[in-house]
Amino acid sequence: GQNIDQPTEMTATEGAIVQINCTYQTSGFNGLFWYQQHAGEAPTFLSYNVLDGLEEKGRFSSFLSRSKGYSYLLLKELQMKDSASYLCAVSDSNYQLIWGAGTKLIIKP
Amino acid sequence: EAGVAQSPRYKIIEKRQSVAFWCNPISGHATLYWYQQILGQGPKLLIQFQNNGVVDDSQLPKDRFSAERLKGVDSTLKIQPAKLEDSAVYLCASSFSGEIYNEQFFGPGTRLTVL
Repeated sequence: GQNIDQPTEMTATEGAIVQINCTYQTSGFNGLFWYQQHAGEAPTFLSYNVLDGLEEKGRFSSFLSRSKGYSYLLLKELQMKDSASYLCAVSDSNYQLIWGAGTKLIIKP
Repeated sequence: EAGVAQSPRYKIIEKRQSVAFWCNPISGHATLYWYQQILGQGPKLLIQFQNNGVVDDSQLPKDRFSAERLKGVDSTLKIQPAKLEDSAVYLCASSFSGEIYNEQFFGPGTRLTVL
């Protein structure tokens, strides 16, 4: 079966760095997406990785290792507004997005 | 450019009643998705349209859920009759194509409460 695993909840301090991990087992791979979802709102796109390595975009970076079925989202200089759920999704062989359950990130002052 | 539009934003109904949701995707986006998201879970794909054809409806409870995209633009999702477990947020998303780099853009969602 297809499976995406990510931690249910994480807590971090304002100004710090946090890494949210995602492991996946899917039938085929056509890229991995990270989305941010604030409570009561729709998911918004953060990043896309299809090749191994690190993609940096401002305070957010995303890493992919296809051989390990592993990705992480790195958030630097955390701000209170970063409190949200972070969803990992993999595009499978049929270009269907397989979604993780999301990681709820709590930022404390 | 305008984003994905959905209505209504909130709906409260009693079990066994019917409800319909509407979605208008981003102009030019051929692919439209309906998702169900239960609190604390990731989105679950209900149905995917490519223009006005169905690509995937394997997780759509067809005994009570139906969806259409008649002219390949906007879409409606209907539940008839609703059950308590249908309480969720229904998200509509669209993408330029259903393949390759298929970044999906989401609408604000409809929060359904079934009493």
